Amino acid sequence: TQLLEQSPQFLSIQEGENLTVYCNSSSVFSSLQWYRQEPGEGPVLLVTVVTGGEVKKLKRLTFQFGDARKDSSLHITAAQPGDTGLYLCAGTDWQAGTALIFGKGTTLSVSS
Amino acid sequence: GAGVSQSPSNKVTEKGKDVELRCDPISGHTALYWYRQSLGQGLEFLIYFQGNSAPDKSGLPSDRFSAERTGGSVSTLTIQRTQQEDSAVYLCASSSRRGRGTEAFFGQGTRLTVV
Repeated sequence: TQLLEQSPQFLSIQEGENLTVYCNSSSVFSSLQWYRQEPGEGPVLLVTVVTGGEVKKLKRLTFQFGDARKDSSLHITAAQPGDTGLYLCAGTDWQAGTALIFGKGTTLSVSS
Repeated sequence: GAGVSQSPSNKVTEKGKDVELRCDPISGHTALYWYRQSLGQGLEFLIYFQGNSAPDKSGLPSDRFSAERTGGSVSTLTIQRTQQEDSAVYLCASSSRRGRGTEAFFGQGTRLTVV
């Protein structure tokens, strides 16, 4: 069974601070995704990484896929109150036809 | 519709009753997922349908839970003899293809409360 461990579970910071969220597994994934979820809504995709060592940037968000394709990180620079939400990593092994499995999420609160 | 539609949006039921939750995926999407989410927590995988393949039921927590997908489109998640621990938001997602980097599109969920 594939499992994804996310840390930290909760993060409360001030506007302008930087932060990193981690997603780790003992399994290899063919792709890892990061989603953001706001209250009362379903998760929405932020990014997909598919190549070991890959780095993708989305404005102030930087995503990295580990070389061994077992872990990923999300770094936010100069956090803003609008970044507040639940961040979820998700992975799948498409070659094995596995379902999309989610981590338990990181609840981020950014105060002004 | 343009997105994934789930109904009802809210359901309150008495302990011991059966409930059915419905999901209308995006037209043409071959993959459909059901997840369960407790307050502020991550998504617990329940079941995965991919095209005509046998569904992956490995996440269903007990034999009280079952799901069907008719005609490769609409799906129904059924919970029999509901228990209070079944209270959660049930999310459905669909995606267009199997393979790397496939985006899952989610509905807004059904909030189930068992009293």
